[in-house]
Amino acid sequence: KQEVTQIPAALSVPEGENLVLNCSFTDSAIYNLQWFRQDPGKGLTSLLLIQSSQREQTSGRLNASLDKSSGRSTLYIAASQPGDSATYLCAHYKAAGNKLTFGGGTRVLVKP
Amino acid sequence: ETGVTQSPTHLIKTRGQQVTLRCSSQSGHNTVSWYQQALGQGPQFIFQYYREEENGRGNFPPRFSGLQFPNYSSELNVNALELDDSALYLCASSLGSRSTDTQYFGPGTRLTVL
Repeated sequence: KQEVTQIPAALSVPEGENLVLNCSFTDSAIYNLQWFRQDPGKGLTSLLLIQSSQREQTSGRLNASLDKSSGRSTLYIAASQPGDSATYLCAHYKAAGNKLTFGGGTRVLVKP
Repeated sequence: ETGVTQSPTHLIKTRGQQVTLRCSSQSGHNTVSWYQQALGQGPQFIFQYYREEENGRGNFPPRFSGLQFPNYSSELNVNALELDDSALYLCASSLGSRSTDTQYFGPGTRLTVL
């Protein structure tokens, strides 16, 4: 079973609608969870980092929640804009191995 | 801009060849991690270096090797290239190797193996 799962794999919404992106993970013993944005063929831009002791983080129109007990994180993007079109990836960091484990990403298209 | 650069941007090799990819970390960042991202998938951890020593490795064969230098640059070497090695290779630098140290990603090197 995948350690980190993101459903749906792709999402299309009209401009102005709120976006809800889901991330689930199998191991509740994570140290932090991070959300990234990736534009086509480009590297990753960190959006939000939630420490294991926190339940949510906010930055502008973005809000991410973390529920370790249920193994879920949700990224909310308010009032979506065409510029929000990108792939959004979640990843967690466990102490063992010092590595980020990524989900497969959700590809978002915001239509004007 | 994350301050992390990678070269080259694109690279085409043939099966069996060897390749070296380069990464320049942010100044002061002692940790560099390398990831492989196949098309349509999330990045997979290859290995991490902390102060020039390997500090963790993912499920990649020994033909994937790395080096980290004191000037905050690093290399990923892949020997005996296979078709499945075609991917975007990302490096990420961070201040340290703790889970609280944010990783800053470079733009990646797109490797195509024919």
